[in-house]
Amino acid sequence: GAGVSQSPRYKVAKRGQDVALRCDPISGHVSLFWYQQALGQGPEFLTYFQNEAQLDKSGLPSDRFFAERPEGSVSTLKIQRTQQEDSAVYLCASSLSSGRNIQYFGAGTRLSVL
Amino acid sequence: GENVEQHPSTLSVQEGDSAVIKCTYSDSASNYFPWYKQELGKRPQLIIDIRSNVGEKKDQRIAVTLNKTAKHFSLHITETQPEDSAVYFCAASNNAGNMLTFGGGTRLMVKP
Repeated sequence: GAGVSQSPRYKVAKRGQDVALRCDPISGHVSLFWYQQALGQGPEFLTYFQNEAQLDKSGLPSDRFFAERPEGSVSTLKIQRTQQEDSAVYLCASSLSSGRNIQYFGAGTRLSVL
Repeated sequence: GENVEQHPSTLSVQEGDSAVIKCTYSDSASNYFPWYKQELGKRPQLIIDIRSNVGEKKDQRIAVTLNKTAKHFSLHITETQPEDSAVYFCAASNNAGNMLTFGGGTRLMVKP
């Protein structure tokens, strides 16, 4: 079936604008993760959902970042009042469940804040 | 929390040679170590993983070794091909389904 799908693939925002990034996980996958990947660096954990429950949000860099997964499937990462340091690729990953299952990644959304 | 260091940051090899990428981790509770390959503008793709109950795993030209005592693990690619050129990331987790802590990445270039 289809892999993890993210939209938009590219987003340009003016500083101070709000943005919303969408993730469609693999159908049936219980766990969903958001990571931030700065240019030339490895992905860094932002937040984790199991079904609709946000179990870990320790990686969110500020209270401007908010994530939700209201029906336990599609997830949205929202960034309010974007700043230049928010420019990065935002990756979503899903896994069948917690425990012993590998994470499958989407292609990411490249956010550029001008 | 966990900290993963990866070396080298860039690696250039001739086609047919072997490539080795090394990672160290800090948290002794980590027990799952995947390796991802990421081509420019594309999604990270899992190429091999190892759990802490084994010391080595092989899949065709790719192998991973794990030394739990020293807290390091390595990726070995033999008979490299131009299509192996990409950025490779190691990662660690205290369980396969939990958050991953990534290394900084290695840009591998295979020259034909």
